[in-house]
Order: sequence, then structure tokens, then C-alpha cells
Amino acid sequence: IAGITQAPTSQILAAGRRMTLRCTQDMRHNAMYWYRQDLGLGLRLIHYSNTAGTTGKGEVPDGYSVSRANTDDFPLTLASAVPSQTSVYFCASSDGDRLNYNEQFFGPGTRLTVL
Amino acid sequence: AQRVTQPEKLLSVFKGAPVELKCNYSYSGSPELFWYVQYSRQRLQLLLRHISRESIKGFTADLNKGETSFHLKKPFAQEEDSAMYYCALKEYGNKLVFGAGTILRVKS
Repeated sequence: IAGITQAPTSQILAAGRRMTLRCTQDMRHNAMYWYRQDLGLGLRLIHYSNTAGTTGKGEVPDGYSVSRANTDDFPLTLASAVPSQTSVYFCASSDGDRLNYNEQFFGPGTRLTVL
Repeated sequence: AQRVTQPEKLLSVFKGAPVELKCNYSYSGSPELFWYVQYSRQRLQLLLRHISRESIKGFTADLNKGETSFHLKKPFAQEEDSAMYYCALKEYGNKLVFGAGTILRVKS
């Protein structure tokens, strides 16, 4: 069982290019999330999905889009990358049906550098 | 807006010394709080949550609603405790708001 996988592990990208970060989970979790991790700012939520077919905006959604066509996959797309999107990106999932238990399980992260 | 504040970016202690990682929150309802930890070269993972009132790896955290705090404590630090620690608050809809994080460095 892999849990949550992310691809690529790292990427260097020219500004203006389009990039999709992939995230897949095999735990059948309903909810999935994308965060960016920046020193001094912690983890900030970009987008989330409570269940397949629905998505929502987090704290810092501008410049990013997501889709949730099925339970397992939650790709994050940067339509036209800018240097301020240089960051480490984490995907996470949780079993949203358990009201009092909200542990999120994290992927290994993708380190993205936009030049 | 819900907020989580971790005032220390770096906390450096000697092995065997007590540790307290501070976390303060602002929330209008009944808060649900967590501590997550990221060890070197490992994934971010849940350390403990306040509703469980448990001790994990010797760490405890008590919710103090009067002081709006959820500080993480351990009486005797160990070198393997060195990591990045994040305090997190559950928002409406199962989302989490994270603090900026505190790096704990335990020196031998």
C-alpha cells in the first residue's frame, strides 16, 4: 500500500510554462488537499476537495487550479508559472466522513522552482 | 478569521532539558487542535490531537481555552525529537489552518 504518492519529486520550470503536479492516494479517502510550504509561512492551503466531483478554494488559490474526476487522483495545475510559485507542494488526504477524527495523511512533496 | 500563531521559528535545547513549543489560536467556536511533525527526510505526520488527551513519544499538549493556547510539552528532550513542528486548527469543512512552524533542535 503506497498511501499518497506525488510526482514529480522535483521540477525546475521556466516562467510562463504550464505544469501539473500529480497526486494519487489508495486509501479511498473522500477529502484531498493541496498545500504549499514556505519558510516562515508554514503550510498554506491552495485548494481542497471534500469528495470526488467537488473542489473548493483555500487560502492561496490564485494561479492554481485543481480537478477531482475520481476518488484517487487530485492533480494541481499551474497554468502559467511565476517565480513566486517556487515552493514545496504537499498533497494530503483525510477520511472526511469521521466527524471527530480529521487526521490528514501527507505525500512526500514536490519541490518546484520557477525561474 | 481563524489563525494559528507559533511565535518561535527555532527552539534549541540540550538533550534532557524540558521542551515547550508554543501555539496560540484564534477561533470563534469550539476549537479542535492538532500537532503535526516533520522529521528530516520524512513526511509530515500527525503527532497528537487535543481530543485524544494522549501522550505520544513523551509529548503532551493541553488545550487552554482561557489563554487560547495549545502548547506542546515534553519533560526531557531527546535528539530524535529534532524536527519541524506545526500546530494546526480545524476549520469548518475538515480543512486545517497551520501555524508557521517551529524547528526544534536538540543538542547533545
